[in-house]
Amino acid sequence: LAKTTQPISMDSYEGQEVNITCSHNNIATNDYITWYQQFPSQGPRFIIQGYKTKVTNEVASLFIPADRKSSTLSLPRVSLSDTAVYYCLVGDIRGNTGFQKLVFGTGTRLLVSP
Amino acid sequence: DTGVSQNPRHKITKRGQNVTFRCDPISEHNRLYWYRQTLGQGPEFLTYFQNEAQLEKSRLLSDRFSAERPKGSFSTLEIQRTEQGDSAMYLCASSLSVATNEKLFFGSGTQLSVL
Repeated sequence: LAKTTQPISMDSYEGQEVNITCSHNNIATNDYITWYQQFPSQGPRFIIQGYKTKVTNEVASLFIPADRKSSTLSLPRVSLSDTAVYYCLVGDIRGNTGFQKLVFGTGTRLLVSP
Repeated sequence: DTGVSQNPRHKITKRGQNVTFRCDPISEHNRLYWYRQTLGQGPEFLTYFQNEAQLEKSRLLSDRFSAERPKGSFSTLEIQRTEQGDSAMYLCASSLSVATNEKLFFGSGTQLSVL
């Protein structure tokens, strides 16, 4: 059972900022929030990960409010090549192995048009 | 870093046949995962290795499925007596366990079609 809820699809145009929000009401204290991107016929690719507040890297920003019950992936100035499926995952640290049984939902299909 | 490699990229087989897929993780990664993905769905967890030990198996992994990771390097996933419902993309991922900030690196997958 997926622990996250995100929109099924979003449309945007080149050059716009895209914000994808993910709901994770039952996030646990040890959970991290991770976003992956997937293109057709490829495996998912790590984008960004965070625990609280704001994280920024060369690709995206991740905003996490204080209650951590949601998070927003922000893609600045998208291009056609950003058309992909974006998955929000909540990490479940388990036992001494530190194993994260990541549960992928159906993701958000982002379509960027010219 | 050559990335996670999976072979073959595509496999077409007849129902009832056995198939085996191979995954070569990033060399220094001690963790290896297998996922399965069907069209329009996110990847579903199948199994997990830490080094050579298989530490977790999903209930999705019926007794027709077996995975190995001898010597903690490459891994194989075998499906015996394939069924049409086994048709899917089989994804392998690896990671290096560093505290809680674990990033999974996925291969491009093996697309299985069971006729």
